[in-house]
Amino acid sequence: GAGVSQTPSNKVTEKGKYVELRCDPISGHTALYWYRQSLGQGPEFLIYFQGTGAADDSGLPNDRFFAVRPEGSVSTLKIQRTERGDSAVYLCASSPSPGGPSDTQYFGPGTRLTVL
Amino acid sequence: GENVEQHPSTLSVQEGDSAVIKCTYSDSASNYFPWYKQELGKRPQLIIDIRSNVGEKKDQRIAVTLNKTAKHFSLHITETQPEDSAVYFCAASTVNTGRRALTFGSGTRLQVQP
Repeated sequence: GAGVSQTPSNKVTEKGKYVELRCDPISGHTALYWYRQSLGQGPEFLIYFQGTGAADDSGLPNDRFFAVRPEGSVSTLKIQRTERGDSAVYLCASSPSPGGPSDTQYFGPGTRLTVL
Repeated sequence: GENVEQHPSTLSVQEGDSAVIKCTYSDSASNYFPWYKQELGKRPQLIIDIRSNVGEKKDQRIAVTLNKTAKHFSLHITETQPEDSAVYFCAASTVNTGRRALTFGSGTRLQVQP
């Protein structure tokens, strides 16, 4: 079946602009995660959704970052007043219901964000 | 919070040799330890994982060992092939309860020389 998809694959914006990044999880997966990966580093956790609610947003770096998942499927990561330091690959992952037989997180291809 | 350290940062082996990558974690509550392979410009892909109630798991040429007492786990790749060349990440999390997000190590760039 279809894996996790993310759009756009690349986004170039200017400092101070607003951007939205979209994630389509695997159908039926209730858990959705956002991570950020800088060059040469491992992914860093941003936020985790269980269903429609943010179960853990402790990784969001500041209040310029916000994410929603209004219907428990597609999620949007929103970044206000972008800064050059926000440049990174933003990865989305999904996993089946918690407590189930698998805790595997399946990653999307990422959105490469470049802030000029 | 959890902290995962990974060594070495780069590893070069000859085709057919074995490769070992080691990780340590800080949070004794962590109970799930996956390993991901990431090729250049691609998404991380799970290659093997282990839960804290198991000491070792093997899948063909890949094995993972876990020492809960010492809080470290290792990835072993035998009979390496050029297509094993990639960046490998270890990670830790607490599934079922607590923080489900993965904390990743900094990665190991494995190069298999033909």
